[in-house]
Amino acid sequence: SQTIHQWPATLVQPVGSPLSLECTVEGTSNPNLYWYRQAAGRGLQLLFYSVGIGQISSEVPQNLSASRPQDRQFILSSKKLLLSDSGFYLCAWSVKGRGNNSPLHFGNGTRLTVT
Amino acid sequence: QKEVEQDPGPLSVPEGAIVSLNCTYSNSAFQYFMWYRQYSRKGPELLMYTYSSGNKEDGRFTAQVDKSSKYISLFIRDSQPSDSATYLCAMSYTGNQFYFGTGTSLTVIP
Repeated sequence: SQTIHQWPATLVQPVGSPLSLECTVEGTSNPNLYWYRQAAGRGLQLLFYSVGIGQISSEVPQNLSASRPQDRQFILSSKKLLLSDSGFYLCAWSVKGRGNNSPLHFGNGTRLTVT
Repeated sequence: QKEVEQDPGPLSVPEGAIVSLNCTYSNSAFQYFMWYRQYSRKGPELLMYTYSSGNKEDGRFTAQVDKSSKYISLFIRDSQPSDSATYLCAMSYTGNQFYFGTGTSLTVIP
């Protein structure tokens, strides 16, 4: 069965420090990968998605970047964190190759607090 | 107008009650509909996944889609305290784009 691992679960970082959040998927190959941010009462905001190694689409201009160095690895980064980067970050995956017939599957998220 | 509208609640019901959670949407192109359950400080967990109109049942959960009214529902029968969570609806019409409601907070009181 497929599983998604996301770490760390919680993170407290000072303003101006770098960020690296990692996500890996097991049990499937060539998945679509996504980074979302969830703010209370505002739903899920898509930040990045990737259909393959090195292929990243950005949905929102921001202080963050994403990379996909391996097929099942997705990394969210920042060179200098802002207070507004605080939030709950979720990695997700979906199956590619079944047309539209594939839901999203989420990791357990990283709660980031920028102080 | 938002693509997906969902009443945030909170919704509080006694144990054993039937719960009805709903979302409306504006884009008639949506074909795939999902319900997620999210416990506090956890990621959303896929509960139901349906295509087009009709009903789908899985244990105590029933998902209903009415495309003519652009309205989807999730029913929970014999609700349990463990059902207390936030429920998110989501929908899509392409392989890479998903549209989410803001979630409804549910508390089931023992």
